Formats: sequence, structure tokens, C-alpha cells
Amino acid sequence: DAGVIQSPRHEVTEMGQEVTLRCKPISGHDYLFWYRQTMMRGLELLIYFNNNVPIDDSGMPEDRFSAKMPNASFSTLKIQPSEPRDSAVYFCASTPGHFYGYTFGSGTRLTVV
Amino acid sequence: GIQVEQSPPDLILQEGANSTLRCNFSDSVNNLQWFHQNPWGQLINLFYIPSGTKQNGRLSATTVATERYSLLYISSSQTTDSGVYFCAVGGYNFNKFYFGSGTKLNVKP
Repeated sequence: DAGVIQSPRHEVTEMGQEVTLRCKPISGHDYLFWYRQTMMRGLELLIYFNNNVPIDDSGMPEDRFSAKMPNASFSTLKIQPSEPRDSAVYFCASTPGHFYGYTFGSGTRLTVV
Repeated sequence: GIQVEQSPPDLILQEGANSTLRCNFSDSVNNLQWFHQNPWGQLINLFYIPSGTKQNGRLSATTVATERYSLLYISSSQTTDSGVYFCAVGGYNFNKFYFGSGTKLNVKP
């Protein structure tokens, strides 16, 4: 298995632009997570899905952030409009269930200027 | 939420040395994982270990759930072991999964 695949690896965008991050989980993993990592706040859970259904989005910072999972093999995290404070590394992770470890993707480093 | 404390925060080793990293947590957990974030930022799952002991090559981990701590042992360290080691704990609710602040390890040749 190729693992959890994220794209792009790096994204530089101007403030106000729309940004879309993409994730392909491991086949057969029923849970998908979006995390954000910053020096100040560490790793924060933004949202997670179970069988393509969003279960908890309480970590999404504000309405500018939205996430979708149209099928079992694809998820997106969208920021519109982006702001400099959104600059961070965004990770996607997946797991088969409660009693298994997480597999993280390589992350997307987002810079908003 | 559950408090997760990792120690030491920083560790410098000479290649070939052994080390023990500790993770203390403030409440009962059903899920405990150790991760290694390498210098390129990639997060690698080392162990899923809510209790007991596991070994994988030069790395091993032990969790004593009743005493609310976990230990990660690195033997014969190599420069490729450098990076940040995170402990993460949680229960059955995935939204309640807490990461520690990490131990930054630097292995010198």
C-alpha cells in the first residue's frame, strides 16, 4: 500500500485566495482525520470522518474552513478565503478503527502571504 | 481533557547510546500511540500500545496503564533516529485524542 497520500506537498498562496488540500486514505481504513500542526499549538484535530460521514468538526477554526469526503478514497480540506494565520502544516491521517494506530500522510505545508 | 507530559523535552545523544523517553498521562486511556516526526516533518507511527510491551528492532515500548505512563526505549541510537517523538493518548472518542509536546532527539555521529 502506498500509504496516505496528500497533495500538494507545498502551497504558497496570497491572502484571500481559495486553497484546497487533498488526501487519499489507505484503502479499507474507515476513519479519516485532518490535523493542523503549528509551533504554537502543536497538533490540532480539525475534523474526522467515519465511512465518509463527518463525525466531529468542532476543531475547525471558523467558517472559512470546510472539509468533504465524497467517497472512501478521497477527501478535501478547503480554506476560503485564506489568511496568513492559516499558515501551518496540514496532515491527513487514517485508521481502520479504534484499536489501531494512525497512519499519517506526508503533510501539506501551507504558506499564506 | 487528558494532560500528556513528555520528558525530557530535549535529548542529545552520541551515536550508539541508549535512551528512554517517558510519557505521563492524567487519566485512563484506551489508545496510546508513539510517533516519530523526522527532520523532514513526516509523522511515522512507531507503536500502538495502550498496555503491555512491544518491540520493533532497536525500539521498544512499555505502557503501564494502571500507573498512567508509557516508556519508549531506543537502543544503539543512530543519526536517523533524530527528530521529535510524540506520545498521543485517547479514549474511544477520536475527537478526544491528545498529543504531548514531544521529545526532541538529536543523535550526533
